Amino acid sequence: EIVLTQSPGTLSLSPGERATLSCRASQSINNNYLAWYQQKPGQAPRLLIYGASSRATGIPDRFSGSGSGTDFTLTISRLEPEDFAVYCCQQYAASPSPTFGGGTKVEIK
Amino acid sequence: QVQLLESGGGVAQPGRSLRLSCAASGFSFSSHGMHWVRQAPGKGLEWVAVISSHGRTMVYADSAKGRFTISRDNSQNTVLLQMNSLRDGDSAVYFCAREAHWGQWYFDVWGRGAPVTVSS
Repeated sequence: EIVLTQSPGTLSLSPGERATLSCRASQSINNNYLAWYQQKPGQAPRLLIYGASSRATGIPDRFSGSGSGTDFTLTISRLEPEDFAVYCCQQYAASPSPTFGGGTKVEIK
Repeated sequence: QVQLLESGGGVAQPGRSLRLSCAASGFSFSSHGMHWVRQAPGKGLEWVAVISSHGRTMVYADSAKGRFTISRDNSQNTVLLQMNSLRDGDSAVYFCAREAHWGQWYFDVWGRGAPVTVSS
């Protein structure tokens, strides 16, 4: 099983600042099959990024994904008030079980 | 609009059963694999099971094998999760999720979740 480790656990930032979130895999993720989700309390996860760097439909361009192999990054270029949430990564390269990271909480400083 | 709506959650004693249902609308249901993903209180997401678009292939997480059964009815746009022999560790919010792209198990549509509590 591929284990995903996200860091930091919590990121305290102000609106307008840049957020950089890390997702590290225990082994290389083939085809860059890595997705990022945003989750707010009591809500379903929302797909942001797939294929490590492709934005999902309707996702603002302030969200970007990068990386390959074992190291991946989600960047939010300028935090908007609605961006304060938990972000988690997911790999879907390893059969038969996709796995998720533990999440990074982006909170208002 | 594209929507998934879970139902059937609740409280069950250890060893008992619950059945979750997920009703889909707004898209071609029979074209997508469908998954269940759960989230225990204060924990991360955990994939549970998948059923292929035609309903002939099912795959389970080790934690669900032998106890949970996923099924679907494409005529009713519904996917089910039958959970038997429930354990304390099965307590979680269970999300129904749509496979975004055939064979690539990431999820572009999610339901709001069905809470399940296993407690004596």
